[in-house]
Amino acid sequence: GDSVTQTEGLVTLTEGLPVMLNCTYQSTYSPFLFWYVQHLNEAPKLLLKSFTDNKRPEHQGFHATLHKSSSSFHLQKSSAQLSDSALYYCALSEGAGNKLTFGIGTRVLVRP
Amino acid sequence: EAAVTQSPRNKVAVTGGKVTLSCNQTNNHNNMYWYRQDTGHGLRLIHYSYGAGSTEKGDIPDGYKASRPSQENFSLILELATPSQTSVYFCASGGTGANTEVFFGKGTRLTVV
Repeated sequence: GDSVTQTEGLVTLTEGLPVMLNCTYQSTYSPFLFWYVQHLNEAPKLLLKSFTDNKRPEHQGFHATLHKSSSSFHLQKSSAQLSDSALYYCALSEGAGNKLTFGIGTRVLVRP
Repeated sequence: EAAVTQSPRNKVAVTGGKVTLSCNQTNNHNNMYWYRQDTGHGLRLIHYSYGAGSTEKGDIPDGYKASRPSQENFSLILELATPSQTSVYFCASGGTGANTEVFFGKGTRLTVV
């Protein structure tokens, strides 16, 4: 079945430094990939999603590139902000049902 | 923005009791989902629905039932609650395309004692 792997459980970094969160996936077909972000005591919400035409999605300074050859969709930001402290989920979806399969999540803590 | 409302937001239940978690969406989305969130497991799909009257099993349906009486409402039912069902439950709604955004409610924290 489909699966998403996020290798880092916790990432701690200093404000202003770059951040990269890893995401790899296994899928029978060609899925769509997503990053959802969940701030403390809030609902998960979409951060960005892959495009069908190989454009690189960007939002709030974050970007991710879908590499089908390596089945990866890593999330990157060049300069972390304190407000980026949150739980980040990588997820995939395929088929008309739009069921999301999530990774276990990576908690990001940005310190001053 | 899409609105998904869950009730109750917090619930304490006794082992063996019946628990019903309710979800309402005002976006006219066909698809609705119930996930549970646990540290080390992420978000896992329990049940989902393609529209009024339909329910489908997700990845971890054992011990749960679902009901979709209308386009707007989707309930999760624990007939005999167990401590292992202590978790945070999220309802979500979304369109039918595989690349469409899914909108989540704020979650229900359930503790089974």
